[in-house]
Amino acid sequence: DAGVIQSPRHEVTEMGQEVTLRCKPISGHNSLFWYRQTMMRGLELLIYFNNNVPIDDSGMPEDRFSAKMPNASFSTLKIQPSEPRDSAVYFCASSLVGGLQETQYFGPGTRLLVL
Amino acid sequence: DAKTTQPTSMDCAEGRAANLPCNHSTISGNEYVYWYRQIHSQGPQYIIHGLKNNETNEMASLIITEDRKSSTLILPHATLRDTAVYYCIVRGNTGNQFYFGTGTSLTVIP
Repeated sequence: DAGVIQSPRHEVTEMGQEVTLRCKPISGHNSLFWYRQTMMRGLELLIYFNNNVPIDDSGMPEDRFSAKMPNASFSTLKIQPSEPRDSAVYFCASSLVGGLQETQYFGPGTRLLVL
Repeated sequence: DAKTTQPTSMDCAEGRAANLPCNHSTISGNEYVYWYRQIHSQGPQYIIHGLKNNETNEMASLIITEDRKSSTLILPHATLRDTAVYYCIVRGNTGNQFYFGTGTSLTVIP
């Protein structure tokens, strides 16, 4: 199993530009999570999907952030327009909800730097 | 979900057992204890979880006190590659969210 795949691994962009982060969950998993990690705030949940439906987006910072999951094998997190304070590592995780082990498996992350 | 309290940092000699404590005094009956770790620049990695019985797998052992108000993660023979931040998380089995807190930064010393 390839695990959770994220792309790009690194992204450097200028303030005001649109940024799109991509995630492919583990095959067969039915939940997907987007987290953001910074030194100041640690690891915080932004949004999660269950069976491709957004369940809780209360962690999404503001309207500049949006996430979609068009099918069970793909999700995007978009920031438009990006700002320097969005610089962070963004992690995607997936899990199989309802199983005996509802464990989240994390991808390697996307390191975003907004100049 | 119950809050957890962990020491900010710990050191352990290579080859010795690393015992990482976690307090979760407000845990409720249906909440599990999970442990994850994050090695620098990588995504968090699942280690182990349990409800009330002690658990062991190829990575670690989890000891949960009888009143379930605290637990200890044991790495039996720490190696330099075990240097990481270790997160203790308590969550209900009906929810999907993990709240990671600040964790314990474990440094394994040669």
